[in-house]
Amino acid sequence: DQQVKQNSPSLSVQEGRISILNCDYTNSMFDYFLWYKKYPAEGPTFLISISSIKDKNEDGRFTVFLNKSAKHLSLHIVPSQPGDSAVYFCAARPNAGNNRKLIWGLGTSLAVNP
Amino acid sequence: NAGVTQTPKFQVLKTGQSMTLQCAQDMNHEYMSWYRQDPGMGLRLIHYSVGAGITDQGEVPNGYNVSRSTTEDFPLRLLSAAPSQTSVYFCASSTNPGVSYSPLHFGNGTRLTVT
Repeated sequence: DQQVKQNSPSLSVQEGRISILNCDYTNSMFDYFLWYKKYPAEGPTFLISISSIKDKNEDGRFTVFLNKSAKHLSLHIVPSQPGDSAVYFCAARPNAGNNRKLIWGLGTSLAVNP
Repeated sequence: NAGVTQTPKFQVLKTGQSMTLQCAQDMNHEYMSWYRQDPGMGLRLIHYSVGAGITDQGEVPNGYNVSRSTTEDFPLRLLSAAPSQTSVYFCASSTNPGVSYSPLHFGNGTRLTVT
């Protein structure tokens, strides 16, 4: 049973427009949510995170929104650039127990078209 | 600053052969882990360690062994390779997640093919 779900395997967006990547979770016992970006033939790189006590975190073109009542978070990229084309993974950190191993979504492949 | 270094980048093995995937980090991170990535399966945790001399199993540990004799190194051993172990393997490190929050730093992966 997947605790972190990225329901869209892929997304295609025009350059300059907004990209919105979504992530849903089933467990209320997470204290941090993270987004990672992965290019082909490279390892995932940390992009942005949000604490469960906040509802928004912004870093340049990237903003993550957290809706705890809906158990939903989203990553907004504005404006989207061709270099943003990558696979984006959502991950959640449990707030207790078992060394707090991250729970990962399956990823969303973003294509930003020039 | 090298971060997390994995070697080799590519490897082809025959069924039954053994090999060790190397991982080293220079950030003095207590926590190190191994993941495999397969199409449609996301990132799955194989083994992890919260410090030298301490290792534990993740969600897919069968067929793999690890050891942690130093803070810097965390090798992953395949004792008898099987085609099901064909995958891309990532090593990652961070500060101890049970103590403080910090994101994982990943290496660039080892692409393993078992024929």
